[in-house]
Amino acid sequence: DGGITQSPKYLFRKEGQNVTLSCEQNLNHDAMYWYRQDPGQGLRLIYYSQIVNDFQKGDIAEGYSVSREKKESFPLTVTSAQKNPTAFYLCASSIYDGSSYEQYFGPGTRLTVT
Amino acid sequence: SQKIEQNSEALNIQEGKTDTLTCNYTNYSPAYLEWYRQDPGRGPVFLLLIRENEKEKRKERLKVTFDTTLKQSLFHITASQPADSATYLCALDMRRYGQNFVFGPGTRLSVLP
Repeated sequence: DGGITQSPKYLFRKEGQNVTLSCEQNLNHDAMYWYRQDPGQGLRLIYYSQIVNDFQKGDIAEGYSVSREKKESFPLTVTSAQKNPTAFYLCASSIYDGSSYEQYFGPGTRLTVT
Repeated sequence: SQKIEQNSEALNIQEGKTDTLTCNYTNYSPAYLEWYRQDPGRGPVFLLLIRENEKEKRKERLKVTFDTTLKQSLFHITASQPADSATYLCALDMRRYGQNFVFGPGTRLSVLP
């Protein structure tokens, strides 16, 4: 999975609880991303970060928060404000080669909230 | 906003045959387009990238074409094998329009022995 680790692989939480998903990369990539994947839909961007201590909202940031204190780490917190948190969450990173960003994905975390 | 359609949710093909997956988009043409493979319960893996000024790219048994007039990319797998069974995603780089990557819903390909 390209030097990106996500933990845990499966996560179960009760409704109303915040939960943090881990993402670590050892590829020395500057950019990191969080996507959400639901059945029958494409990946949707939650947050992304191009440098340490800076991040931007993606298309569906409501109910999520992130931090980027280290280049290697980009944790995602799913808050109780997220109305439909059950999904497959994918973290990715990329390096800019001057003209394109090939993305390397982690193995994903499947979050189930009941 | 950009919308992407991929030919169908699922396709079955016989081993050894060539199959073509399509990726159609509705609005602005991206600077480049990528194809990824995703196995069940795993993260996507990058396969090929094609730029807007390129007509065709090849990698082993894979071939990708890009037609900005038709707003379409075609993904071909020749001499398909059961190990090619997976979901194939296309992704468009829309950063020059103030967006990010936009992913299609994917096509689940099953190669039958």
